[in-house]
Amino acid sequence: IAGITQAPTSQILAAGRRMTLRCTQDMRHNAMYWYRQDLGLGLRLIHYSNTAGTTGKGEVPDGYSVSRANTDDFPLTLASAVPSQTSVYFCASAPSEAFGTEAFFGQGTRLTVV
Amino acid sequence: KQEVTQIPAALSVPEGENLVLNCSFTDSAIYNLQWFRQDPGKGLTSLLLIQSSQREQTSGRLNASLDKSSGRSTLYIAASQPGDSATYLCAVRPANAGNMLTFGGGTRLMVKP
Repeated sequence: IAGITQAPTSQILAAGRRMTLRCTQDMRHNAMYWYRQDLGLGLRLIHYSNTAGTTGKGEVPDGYSVSRANTDDFPLTLASAVPSQTSVYFCASAPSEAFGTEAFFGQGTRLTVV
Repeated sequence: KQEVTQIPAALSVPEGENLVLNCSFTDSAIYNLQWFRQDPGKGLTSLLLIQSSQREQTSGRLNASLDKSSGRSTLYIAASQPGDSATYLCAVRPANAGNMLTFGGGTRLMVKP
């Protein structure tokens, strides 16, 4: 089934550890995004990529990094996890960043930092 | 900065009722507005996308309207069913804020049999 695949689905991580959340899409979408969803704060954009080879910072980028080596993959890395990064992380994609194309979301990764 | 508000935050209705969910945004300069559904512990499923030049979109029992000048959108659900129980999120794509989809806080809907 075409769409966005995130891995892992959930993870408990010790503070200070490094972790990479994986995101793969098979729709050949140019634009990809990482959001975090927190109770009371809604969904907030962490990083985005308009096309392979480019990335940009969203609303809450600190403590996170991304790369976009190809069209399909957009991994999110926490270099040294902290408890405030406990959240549900969603990867999304859209055909283009321009003019209001529809965004599609993955099923999420539930991350707990202890 | 664009802000998106959804009212009410929670809604409980008996099965069969028609209902309206509201979404308001502070800056009318948007490319589009998108309504999503989120089931507990799941991802977001796109329901309807309204471009800034459109007034409404329909899909089955769902109808979304957009009044860009007043900064409002409504999601109308006809003949609600227990399977419609979920959180409904609206998001706008601002015309002058790069790639940020800005989300509202959602409306948690419960349809009772």
